[in-house]
Amino acid sequence: NAGVTQTPKFQVLKTGQSMTLQCAQDMNHEYMSWYRQDPGMGLRLIHYSVGAGITDQGEVPNGYNVSRSTTEDFPLRLLSAAPSQTSVYFCASSLGRRETQYFGPGTRLLVL
Amino acid sequence: EDQVTQSPEALRLQEGESSSLNCSYTVSGLRGLFWYRQDPGKGPEFLFTLYSAGEEKEKERLKATLTKKESFLHITAPKPEDSATYLCAVTGGSQGNLIFGKGTKLSVKP
Repeated sequence: NAGVTQTPKFQVLKTGQSMTLQCAQDMNHEYMSWYRQDPGMGLRLIHYSVGAGITDQGEVPNGYNVSRSTTEDFPLRLLSAAPSQTSVYFCASSLGRRETQYFGPGTRLLVL
Repeated sequence: EDQVTQSPEALRLQEGESSSLNCSYTVSGLRGLFWYRQDPGKGPEFLFTLYSAGEEKEKERLKATLTKKESFLHITAPKPEDSATYLCAVTGGSQGNLIFGKGTKLSVKP
């Protein structure tokens, strides 16, 4: 099993550009989530999904959009990138909301 | 408000010098407490899940314990390869999403 995979590993954007961060898992997990990690802030939940077709907002959802059309994939879209979105983004998955979450390797995003 | 606080923020040990990391939490209806290890430039790696006060789990030089208010990650005779940031997280409360502490950065010098 590959576990949780994320692409790209690193991306540079200009302010106002849009992009999609990809996340996929091959463990047949129902729950998937996106976090951002900033120095001194810890991991903060952006959006999550409890199953295909169901998504909800986390702690810091503004400026991000998600959809879940399949069990395996959970892309995160930045609609109009801002410098405040410079961060490291992690995708995670688990059998359920309160079960152990397994993380991907992360995407480092720099918005200029 | 559900909250997780980890201390210390950073810890420097000599190889073989045992110590403990603390994770205190306030959450209504704890469902689980999780410990992760994170190496620089990588995603968090799962270590332990604890569900109820009094529970203990061990893995090599690491031992995690849980009380009603806090958890400890004990590191016995650490080695340089144990150097990493250790993250604590809990689930519970009204929404049940995972809430993380800010982590403890551990450095073990040979």
